[in-house]
Amino acid sequence: DAGITQSPRHKVTETGTPVTLRCHQTENHRYMYWYRQDPGHGLRLIHYSYGVKDTDKGEVSDGYSVSRSKTEDFLLTLESATSSQTSVYFCAISTILAGEETQYFGPGTRLLVL
Amino acid sequence: QQPVQSPQAVILREGEDAVINCSSSKALYSVHWYRQKHGEAPVFLMILLKGGEQKGHEKISASFNEKKQQSSLYLTASQLSYSGTYFCGTEVSGGSNYKLTFGKGTLLTVNP
Repeated sequence: DAGITQSPRHKVTETGTPVTLRCHQTENHRYMYWYRQDPGHGLRLIHYSYGVKDTDKGEVSDGYSVSRSKTEDFLLTLESATSSQTSVYFCAISTILAGEETQYFGPGTRLLVL
Repeated sequence: QQPVQSPQAVILREGEDAVINCSSSKALYSVHWYRQKHGEAPVFLMILLKGGEQKGHEKISASFNEKKQQSSLYLTASQLSYSGTYFCGTEVSGGSNYKLTFGKGTLLTVNP
């Protein structure tokens, strides 16, 4: 399963509060990604990382920040949660599957912002 | 740019075939296909890298056209387990950091 976990798996929070989601991997993968998934939009890239302390923005990065202080952890922070950030958040790593370089997804975090 | 998937949804009876298309306005380096069951994470199916490539196993296969701007996923003799949402993820030529842009998905329902 490429050793990738996400925490928490479910979270309910209130508008205006900060929220941090964690993605943890155990296999020393260099590339990590955060996506959000909403009905009718598919998977959209929020931020990604190409190494420790090396991160860059994706297509829907407003209102989100990330940090990667060690290889195994990639944190996504919603600085002041809004109802529009209610979504399912997936972390992914770039890895070799069936002999090909592709992305493997974690189990997801369901976030509800009230 | 987000690739365009068609159709948005398809309903089949067990044993029928389906084709899902993924189109880009730009030349692509690769196309990755995933299937997602409700409430679960997307699961990798296959990747296509070369123009004109066709690959797959048994009843699920895919092609990548010569111009590398369109890919199709073929599901033959569908089974109930094929139900789910299918996504294509594309990597543009000259891209970096293995970034993928995903289509909006095609919902496939297979009924008995």
